[in-house]
Amino acid sequence: SQKIEQNSEALNIQEGKTATLTCNYTNYSPAYLQWYRQDPGRGPVFLLLIRENEKEKRKERLKVTFDTTLKQSLFHITASQPADSATYLCARGGRGSTLGRLYFGRGTQLTVWP
Amino acid sequence: DAGVTQSPTHLIKTRGQQVTLRCSPKSGHDTVSWYQQALGQGPQFIFQYYEEEERQRGNFPDRFSGHQFPNYSSELNVNALLLGDSALYLCASSWEGQGFPYGYTFGSGTRLTVV
Repeated sequence: SQKIEQNSEALNIQEGKTATLTCNYTNYSPAYLQWYRQDPGRGPVFLLLIRENEKEKRKERLKVTFDTTLKQSLFHITASQPADSATYLCARGGRGSTLGRLYFGRGTQLTVWP
Repeated sequence: DAGVTQSPTHLIKTRGQQVTLRCSPKSGHDTVSWYQQALGQGPQFIFQYYEEEERQRGNFPDRFSGHQFPNYSSELNVNALLLGDSALYLCASSWEGQGFPYGYTFGSGTRLTVV
C-alpha cells in the first residue's frame, strides 16, 4: 500500500501569516513528493517537487520539506494572501514499474481571510 | 501555448451507457495519464499512455479503457456506466525527454454525472 494522508481537511489563517500543511506517508519512502494547488472545478496545478534525498525546496513564497524519519512533508506558504485560498494536494510518486504514477492525498482546503 | 485540453467539460449519462472522454496534451508533451477524482477526494490513477501503448494501470476494472493516437492525444472510454463512476476525470500530460521525476500538467477535467 502506498497510502498518503493529509491530516487536516481545512485550515483557516489570517492574511500575512504562514500557512503550514502536513502530508504523511506510510510504509516505504517515496522517491519523491509533489504538491499541487486545485481551485474549485479546475484541475490540479503543479507547485513543487522534492526528492527523497532533498531536505528542503523553495519557490518564491513556497517551501516544502521532506523528513524521511518522520515520514512527513510540510508545505509552507509565507506571507499568505486571500488569493492563496484553494485546496492543496500532496502526492507521492511510485517506485520501479509505478514510478510515473502519483498517489494523492485527499487535500487540505486552505482559507486565508483578510 | 495551450495547456491540456479536455472535452467535453460536462456530461450526463444514464446507467449502463458508454462514454468517451478526450484529451489533447500540452504542446511538446508525449505522455498522457488519466485520473478519476470523486467529490472531496484526491485524484486516483486510472492509467498512463506512452507511444500509443498503455504503460501503467491503476486498480480500475476493465470497463475503463483508453487509447493514445499518433498525435499524442488520448481517449478514455468507460462502458456499462455505474452511479459510482460519477466524478471529475482529469487528464495529465508530461514529456519523457525532460527527465524524471517531473511535475504534471493537468487539464480542467470532464465532470461526468451518471443518473
